[in-house]
Amino acid sequence: RKEVEQDPGPFNVPEGATVAFNCTYSNSASQSFFWYRQDCRKEPKLLMSVYSSGNEDGRFTAQLNRASQYISLLIRDSKLSDSATYLCVVGRRNYGQNFVFGPGTRLSVLP
Amino acid sequence: DAGVTQSPTHLIKTRGQQVTLRCSPKSGHDTVSWYQQALGQGPQFIFQYYEEEERQRGNFPDRFSGHQFPNYSSELNVNALLLGDSALYLCASSPGRGTNLGDTEAFFGQGTRLTVV
Repeated sequence: RKEVEQDPGPFNVPEGATVAFNCTYSNSASQSFFWYRQDCRKEPKLLMSVYSSGNEDGRFTAQLNRASQYISLLIRDSKLSDSATYLCVVGRRNYGQNFVFGPGTRLSVLP
Repeated sequence: DAGVTQSPTHLIKTRGQQVTLRCSPKSGHDTVSWYQQALGQGPQFIFQYYEEEERQRGNFPDRFSGHQFPNYSSELNVNALLLGDSALYLCASSPGRGTNLGDTEAFFGQGTRLTVV
């Protein structure tokens, strides 16, 4: 079993739709959590950090459930420009390897 | 403030050759991690350098080696290239000194796309 797993995708949604991404992680020692966005043939870029209290940034809402070891990302009113691959990333404190990436879920927002 | 820079951006090598990829971290960052991203997959951790030493390593063979210089820049070397080494190689930098390592985001370079033929 992979340490970080995500919905296999791809997700094809119309503009304006709400889309939810799910992620689970297996290492209970994970301490920090992020969603990264990666455009085709580009490097990953931080979308948002994820906190236990949940956090929102405009149309994007991230939630963390430590007990279930589950992370989610909700995108409301999706735009064409949201088309990308979304990577779930967990960080482990006091380990040399800071970050473990999920395989990513590709989103295509259609006009 | 320059972000993470990698060179070259693209590279084509023949099986059995050796390759060196370079990375300059973001200003103020002293920790450099290297990742391999095959097409359609998430980045896979290769190793991390801090204070010029390899601090942690992922499941990659010894053909993959690295180095960090006093100015925190880093190199990734791959010997005896295989077709399966074709991938996007990403360098990520983060502040390591005096921080809880997992708390801070990593900043990525644009990557080096290596094609082995």
